[in-house]
Amino acid sequence: QVQLQESGPGLVKPSHTLSLTCTVSGGSISSGGYYWSWIRQHPGKGLEWIAYIYFSGTTYYNPSLKNRVTMSVDTSKNQFSLKLNSVTAADTAVYYCARGDDYDNYLDCWGRGTLVTVSS
Amino acid sequence: QSALTQPPSASGSPGQSVTISCTGTSSDVGGYKSVSWYQQHPGKAPKLMIYEVYKRPSGVPDRFSGSKSGNTASLTVSGLQAEDEADYYCSSYAGTYVFGTGTKVTVL
Repeated sequence: QVQLQESGPGLVKPSHTLSLTCTVSGGSISSGGYYWSWIRQHPGKGLEWIAYIYFSGTTYYNPSLKNRVTMSVDTSKNQFSLKLNSVTAADTAVYYCARGDDYDNYLDCWGRGTLVTVSS
Repeated sequence: QSALTQPPSASGSPGQSVTISCTGTSSDVGGYKSVSWYQQHPGKAPKLMIYEVYKRPSGVPDRFSGSKSGNTASLTVSGLQAEDEADYYCSSYAGTYVFGTGTKVTVL
């Protein structure tokens, strides 16, 4: 059974870059039929999709974040990553990584989430 | 890319049914079959409950059902149980994902 685990700093200073990694276990990130996604949830608020990436490196970004977001994948480590630059307090949120089904387009497997706080 | 519209709250007594709506546009909900629903308990990650409008993943009780009419999708929980009390989010995929505003379901 595939499991995902987010990791990265829990505190980031304003104007700096938020960097998170998602490690996939129990399956290969290079498996066909899937893509790998980041979603965030501001405190007490709803879900916001950020981006997703195929193991080939092809990416799709939320238009509202596109100018600040970069995703990458490392198939040798079975990991994918998120970088969000020029962060502000508005980027404080729980960040989730998830697996997406490429045929029917839903997110079927989620990490537990990691809280990232932007503060000086 | 605006969030899909859901009612903030819904409630029902144990054994009753509750239906949550999810309204979008012809560019998302109305135009594609990739509508999914997620359940989220406090402090937990979302869990997939329905995909492709009405399909249930393995392990999800058949008390959960989905449908769609025009630009509005719906999730119905029949035979409400205490453990169904949670936040529910719809999502539509049209090349990119958009989530609903979320509905808090309370079991009275």
